[in-house]
Amino acid sequence: NAGVTQTPKFQVLKTGQSMTLQCAQDMNHNSMYWYRQDPGMGLRLIYYSASEGTTDKGEVPNGYNVSRLNKREFSLRLESAAPSQTSVYFCASGLAGQSYYEQYFGPGTRLTVT
Amino acid sequence: TQLLEQSPQFLSIQEGENLTVYCNSSSVFSSLQWYRQEPGEGPVLLVTVVTGGEVKKLKRLTFQFGDARKDSSLHITAAQPGDTGLYLCAGEARETSGSRLTFGEGTQLTVNP
Repeated sequence: NAGVTQTPKFQVLKTGQSMTLQCAQDMNHNSMYWYRQDPGMGLRLIYYSASEGTTDKGEVPNGYNVSRLNKREFSLRLESAAPSQTSVYFCASGLAGQSYYEQYFGPGTRLTVT
Repeated sequence: TQLLEQSPQFLSIQEGENLTVYCNSSSVFSSLQWYRQEPGEGPVLLVTVVTGGEVKKLKRLTFQFGDARKDSSLHITAAQPGDTGLYLCAGEARETSGSRLTFGEGTQLTVNP
């Protein structure tokens, strides 16, 4: 039981390059999320998927696209990377019950755009 | 947009001291979570509080949800160096499109031996 896994762990891109961050969860959760974490700004939601086949914008979606490939996998794509997208990216999956909610995070991808 | 204000932003204390971290909002949340994050790792869920006025204890950590479900506190008794880390609160908004979390900016706690 690996929980939430992310690849790659580190990436350096040049401005204008594209890349896809991969995320997978093995907890059978319906919801999955992509966040970015910047110093002094906490975690900000980029996109989320409440269930397979649906995606919604979060707080900072510009410059990103997502794909919910199946229940397990949720990928984040940067079509044309910019230095402002230098950040640590976290994927998470969530489980909501009638009276509780829990979210579990992957180890993160550290992205530098030069 | 729901906002969560967390205070203090930084806290450096000696081993054995007590401390309290606060998480405040003008919005009502369905639930509130506390996470702890260590350098180079993702946040790890510590606790979820759901009911207004609820108090949960996790060893030396005590979590409280405000009666109006707008605020929360984390109290650590007799802090130890192993408690060092970034503590994050997050409020849940339960919508028809699913649940979303709004995170506070975090409290960086350093416990010195």
